[in-house]
Amino acid sequence: AQTVTQSQPEMSVQEAETVTLSCTYDTSENNYYLFWYKQPPSRQMILVIRQEAYKQQNATENRFSVNFQKAAKSFSLKISDSQLGDTAMYFCAFMRPNFGNEKLTFGTGTRLTIIP
Amino acid sequence: EAQVTQNPRYLITVTGKKLTVTCSQNMNHEYMSWYRQDPGLGLRQIYYSMNVEVTDKGDVPEGYKVSRKEKRNFPLILESPSPNQTSLYFCASSLNPRGLRTEAFFGQGTRLTVV
Repeated sequence: AQTVTQSQPEMSVQEAETVTLSCTYDTSENNYYLFWYKQPPSRQMILVIRQEAYKQQNATENRFSVNFQKAAKSFSLKISDSQLGDTAMYFCAFMRPNFGNEKLTFGTGTRLTIIP
Repeated sequence: EAQVTQNPRYLITVTGKKLTVTCSQNMNHEYMSWYRQDPGLGLRQIYYSMNVEVTDKGDVPEGYKVSRKEKRNFPLILESPSPNQTSLYFCASSLNPRGLRTEAFFGQGTRLTVV
């Protein structure tokens, strides 16, 4: 079974600074997807960024980028020029695509606070 | 607008009183799933459905039922709720379980309290 570990329950950073959220996972699969979801106080689950394991290039979405280390099974999220609206819970998630259950396996989350 | 709609957003109920949380998506997605979110545990899958009349258990199915009579709807049923089912519930859907490119769309969440 796959597991996802987020070892930082809480983090805080000054506005405009850069912050990195850590995520490690355990799997024996070679083909899979990794995601970072953001959950603001509204509770909505918002997809921030995704990474296909077969792609060596790290995914980037505006101020959000990942450092995907497949051999180390590490998938960290970097937020540049952090903004107050980035304050949220962030979940790392793993998915093994198959012809059946496309289950997302989530980490326990990191609560990020951006300080004005 | 593409969306997954859950109702109700908030619900307080008493132990043993049957309840249903509805979930509807307007994207013609085949795959739908229910998760519960608990502090320190992240989100865990309860049940999933690959298509109409095709459902199966996830990681924490005890105490829950689902049905998939129509493609757009995937209700979560608690026949006899208990306090340990107090949680935040999410419905999610995605396009095609056989697609390589897949993204889960989540509903707004339902905060359930069982007293």
